[in-house]
Amino acid sequence: GAGVSQSPSNKVTEKGKDVELRCDPISGHTALYWYRQSLGQGLEFLIYFQGNSAPDKSGLPSDRFSAERTGGSVSTLTIQRTQQEDSAVYLCASSLERRTSGNTIYFGEGSWLTVV
Amino acid sequence: SQQGEEDPQALSIQEGENATMNCSYKTSINNLQWYRQNSGRGLVHLILIRSNEREKHSGRLRVTLDTSKKSSSLLITASRAADTASYFCATDARGNTPLVFGKGTRLSVIA
Repeated sequence: GAGVSQSPSNKVTEKGKDVELRCDPISGHTALYWYRQSLGQGLEFLIYFQGNSAPDKSGLPSDRFSAERTGGSVSTLTIQRTQQEDSAVYLCASSLERRTSGNTIYFGEGSWLTVV
Repeated sequence: SQQGEEDPQALSIQEGENATMNCSYKTSINNLQWYRQNSGRGLVHLILIRSNEREKHSGRLRVTLDTSKKSSSLLITASRAADTASYFCATDARGNTPLVFGKGTRLSVIA
């Protein structure tokens, strides 16, 4: 697609429910990143994919968080048993590739998650 | 942990004035990038400066990099109300690590 597309754009969920956030990267981009941004804060790295594999999962805050990417394209971030502290904007980004440092990464508009 | 730390946290200026934002970081880097975020929206890439560069320009933007001090600055000249946004620096460290973002500087340009 023309840009990184994320859905849903807004999600309100009850504490304890599971949520899935979807990211459709720019066509041809092999690297895909997930970041989290709490209100008024910077970006917290969660996970990145090179193709379908995730070499770096170090940022996932707990085992309630998981992500997958299939076909080298769409990625899904799943949060199980959501907690109020999970409320944040979840930003997805993609770039041509990760191995070559210096590639610009392009962000989606984010998925605003509110856990009530 | 945060790699880049922006300073100041917030900046308010009059339209037409210049805005300077600073970023400090801790480890060796391959490059440093600046991004802009309008309220509630995704980040937009502004400029990338490599570790062997000292200064770079793009339109009204001027970025400097001092690797000996592990710091960078972003200067926006002749600011406009439309420049109101949060500005983040992001460091691309050596090795296969992801971009690490600071907490950003919130810039308000008053018309």
